[in-house]
Amino acid sequence: DQQVKQNSPSLSVQEGRISILNCDYTNSMFDYFLWYKKYPAEGPTFLISISSIKDKNEDGRFTVFLNKSAKHLSLHIVPSQPGDSAVYFCAAMEYGNKLVFGAGTILRVKS
Amino acid sequence: DGGITQSPKYLFRKEGQNVTLSCEQNLNHDAMYWYRQDPGQGLRLIYYSQIVNDFQKGDIAEGYSVSREKKESFPLTVTSAQKNPTAFYLCASSLAGGPRETQYFGPGTRLLVL
Repeated sequence: DQQVKQNSPSLSVQEGRISILNCDYTNSMFDYFLWYKKYPAEGPTFLISISSIKDKNEDGRFTVFLNKSAKHLSLHIVPSQPGDSAVYFCAAMEYGNKLVFGAGTILRVKS
Repeated sequence: DGGITQSPKYLFRKEGQNVTLSCEQNLNHDAMYWYRQDPGQGLRLIYYSQIVNDFQKGDIAEGYSVSREKKESFPLTVTSAQKNPTAFYLCASSLAGGPRETQYFGPGTRLLVL
């Protein structure tokens, strides 16, 4: 049973518009969440994280929102750029434990 | 130029053969990890090590073995007992293996069965 779910396998967005990637989780003990970005033939790279004591974390064009009651988080990219085209993985951690990854969402930003 | 290197990029395995995937890091990290990625699934943890000469099983350790004789190296052996080894294998490291630490990933090795 997948504890972290990314229900959209892919997303296509026009350059300059907002990209919204969604992630749902089932384990209420998760208290730290991360987004990783992966280009083809490369390993994932850390993008942004959020602790469960916050509901928003922003870093430049990237903002992560956390809704604990809904067990949902989302990554917003504004404005989207062609270089953002990649696979985005959501990951969650229970304190002191390992990371649990979602299946990933392929983002395509069209110019 | 610090980072994680994995070799080879592609690896072919014959039936009944053991193969070893290399992972080296020069980040001076204590913790290292091996993940497996299959299509439509997230990364799943195979083994991890928080210190030299010590390692723990992850969620899908069956059919795999590891060693951690040096801080910078964490090779993964895919044994003949692993019945479905075709996958993309990712190695990662973090500073000390503690909570909230960012894991840094290598470029991966794709293993194919002949």
